[in-house]
Amino acid sequence: DIRMTQSPASLSASLGETVNIECLASEDIYSDLAWYQQKPGKSPQLLIYNANSLQNGVPSRFSGSGSGTQYSLKINSLQSEDVATYFCQQYNNYPRTFGGGTKLELK
Amino acid sequence: QVQLKETGPGLVQPTQTLSITCTVSGFSLTSYYMQWVRQTPGKGLEWMGFIRSGGSTEYNSEFKSRLSISRDTSKNQVFLKMNSLKTEDTGVYYCAREGVKQPYFDYWGQGVMVTVSS
Repeated sequence: DIRMTQSPASLSASLGETVNIECLASEDIYSDLAWYQQKPGKSPQLLIYNANSLQNGVPSRFSGSGSGTQYSLKINSLQSEDVATYFCQQYNNYPRTFGGGTKLELK
Repeated sequence: QVQLKETGPGLVQPTQTLSITCTVSGFSLTSYYMQWVRQTPGKGLEWMGFIRSGGSTEYNSEFKSRLSISRDTSKNQVFLKMNSLKTEDTGVYYCAREGVKQPYFDYWGQGVMVTVSS
């Protein structure tokens, strides 16, 4: 199974700040990576697919990058509604696997 | 618009069978893969398995021996059944949609909380 390791596990940032979340795959996943946002008590919502493609309706302050085994999610100009837990997921192979999540809070 | 909604028992006893229904609207089950994902305190988000648009299934080997996924296209419903439940199976169970050539989960249900306890 492909192991997905996210860092940091938690993050505190101020409004307007830029945030970066990292995701490391245990093997090359050829950009078959998605990022999801999960707000408390809600289901995950797709933000980014194919490592860097923005899902329809997602604000442009979110962006994804990376290749091979290393990927990142960037949030520019942090807003209060961005408080959530973020997960990466690979879909290069079965079983699909998720990262452990990064909990983003406001400072 | 696209909607998915899971329904199921809130409480299941250990060793018993879990049955959850995912009812969808706004799209056809014959055009999309339907996934099951759970979120537990111990293991976080876990992919469980899926049913393809054509009706065949694939399962995570972690659950393969006790998991079954099926559907009724006439009722726009997908079913998850898992037997021999343990307390570690406590968590939120989600159905999610995956496009046939878009292998990520673009819509998720609200989830159903399942507690395994006697």
